[in-house]
Amino acid sequence: SFELTQPPSVSVSPGQTARITCSGDALAKQYTYWYQQKAGQAPVLVIYKDTERPSGIPDRFSGSTSGTIVTLTISGVQAEDEADYFCQSVDSSGPFYVFGPGTKVTVL
Amino acid sequence: EVQLVQSGAEVKKPGESLKISCKTSGYTFTNFWIGWVRQTPGKGLEWLGIIYPGDSDTRYSPSFQGHITISADKSMSTAYLQWSSLKASDSAIFYCARLGPAMADFDIWGQGTLVNISS
Repeated sequence: SFELTQPPSVSVSPGQTARITCSGDALAKQYTYWYQQKAGQAPVLVIYKDTERPSGIPDRFSGSTSGTIVTLTISGVQAEDEADYFCQSVDSSGPFYVFGPGTKVTVL
Repeated sequence: EVQLVQSGAEVKKPGESLKISCKTSGYTFTNFWIGWVRQTPGKGLEWLGIIYPGDSDTRYSPSFQGHITISADKSMSTAYLQWSSLKASDSAIFYCARLGPAMADFDIWGQGTLVNISS
């Protein structure tokens, strides 16, 4: 299968914009999915198919893609957005589900 | 409302067997794949395997094939993850999660089951 790379941490002040990247060669051909995991809780899907937002997810969460780099953007960050964020993709030949190592977002 | 409710925390010894469960509700159990994901501090999130309850088609991650068994009971709308001989390295939080229609993402997650293996 393949690997996904994320920065370990991102710090942002309330009201500012947080950008979390996920990179991997496979991302040029496969969709990326993003999960938010707050402390002590299960992950929650916040972006699917690179840019789509599930119902119930605030519109301050958005996704974008450029080649082998996919970005989760949180606009107007709120304290409640402090969490770990994981990207995930799939190798359909398996299938094999691959997760990135996660990025801890700290709201200052 | 779609819900996946997992069984409670377990403490076991190496070599013992274990079966944890994931009871689903709010959707047609047999129409969606269910997956199991492991979370450890050192290795993050890892996919273990998936099952389609409609026909019990099961796929395993090569990293876990042979060490775990995934099953489903249609009458109970429940999926299971089991080990016949636990190792200390199996200590982790295990999540069940429903796969979305494209079978590419995990759209609804259970609350997790903490498994602690210690002699």
